[in-house]
Amino acid sequence: AQKITQTQPGMFVQEKEAVTLDCTYDTSDQSYGLFWYKQPSSGEMIFLIYQGSYDEQNATEGRYSLNFQKARKSANLVISASQLGDSAMYFCAMRGRYGGATNKLIFGTGTLLAVQP
Amino acid sequence: EAGVVQSPRYKIIEKKQPVAFWCNPISGHNTLYWYLQNLGQGPELLIRYENEEAVDDSQLPKDRFSAERLKGVDSTLKIQPAELGDSAVYLCASSLERGSEQYFGPGTRLTVT
Repeated sequence: AQKITQTQPGMFVQEKEAVTLDCTYDTSDQSYGLFWYKQPSSGEMIFLIYQGSYDEQNATEGRYSLNFQKARKSANLVISASQLGDSAMYFCAMRGRYGGATNKLIFGTGTLLAVQP
Repeated sequence: EAGVVQSPRYKIIEKKQPVAFWCNPISGHNTLYWYLQNLGQGPELLIRYENEEAVDDSQLPKDRFSAERLKGVDSTLKIQPAELGDSAVYLCASSLERGSEQYFGPGTRLTVT
């Protein structure tokens, strides 16, 4: 069975500093995808970044980067130069093998990030 | 381009009453998902549609929950009768096809009293 674990219920970071949100996963699939979503208080899940299991380089999207360590089964999100608007809930998610029957997203329990001025 | 639209945004009902949620996916997106998000948890898939066909509804409590996507575009999720434990956020998402990125709507926050 697939599982996502986020061990940090909440995190604080000072504005303009970098922060790392932890995510570990468990799967027996050889091919899978890892995602990070941001959920502000408005409720919408906003896609941030994607990493494929066969991608050789870590994914980056602007201030977001994904520190993918396949052997350790971790996919940590790094936010550089934090902004007040980054305060939100962050979810790590996994998708099973592309084209397979179980193509649903499995989410972790989330990390609440608070950016302090 | 308009995103995923959901209505209502908030709904308060008494237990044993019926309730329905509506979702309009991004234009051209063939795959539609309904997720349930309990407080303090990540979303969990209830049902997935490929066009008008429900291809994964294993997590949908079929005794009280039903869903439809008659023309392969917008979708309705219904609960009848609602129970106190159904209080949660119901998220709709869509993707261009099965394996592509999912885009979420703002959700409907249901409170059952």
